Amino acid sequence: SQTIHQWPATLVQPVGSPLSLECTVEGTSNPNLYWYRQAAGRGLQLLFYSVGIGQISSEVPQNLSASRPQDRQFILSSKKLLLSDSGFYLCAWSAALGNTIYFGEGSWLTVV
Amino acid sequence: DAKTTQPPSMDCAEGRAANLPCNHSTISGNEYVYWYRQIHSQGPQYIIHGLKNNETNEMASLIITEDRKSSTLILPHATLRDTAVYYCIVRSRNSGNTPLVFGKGTRLSVIA
Repeated sequence: SQTIHQWPATLVQPVGSPLSLECTVEGTSNPNLYWYRQAAGRGLQLLFYSVGIGQISSEVPQNLSASRPQDRQFILSSKKLLLSDSGFYLCAWSAALGNTIYFGEGSWLTVV
Repeated sequence: DAKTTQPPSMDCAEGRAANLPCNHSTISGNEYVYWYRQIHSQGPQYIIHGLKNNETNEMASLIITEDRKSSTLILPHATLRDTAVYYCIVRSRNSGNTPLVFGKGTRLSVIA
């Protein structure tokens, strides 16, 4: 069966510091990968999605970037965090665009 | 994707069936009805989806009206662990890069 892992689960970072969240999927090949963010009390916002290695699409302009160095690895990064980057970050995967999307457990980021 | 309307909150007694309604009167012919839930501080969990026939799996049943303008998610024997926000989403399987759009959902509280 397929599983998705993301880490770290929680982190507190100062403003201006870098960020790296990692996500890996097991049990499938060539998944579509997604990064979502959920700000406190708000809905999920799609940040990035990827249909293959090195292929990244950005949904909203922001202080973040994403990379897919391997087939089942998706990384969310920032060079300098802002207070507004605080939130709950979720990695997700699907077998194909438009198919059922499965989410990881999420990473809580607090920028102070 | 078509929009959905759900009640903001519902209560259900433990052991009873929880029936969560969803209105999607503008759904189009190629759009599926998806249900997810999000337990506090966790990633959204896929529950079930359907097109026009009723569906059942180990978690829940999905009843879709004949005109497809509304549906009901049924948790047959609710437990305290079913307390969560439940999201009804309509989405085409050919939606390409269209993000999964979560509304505000229904906050289900299962009461002992």
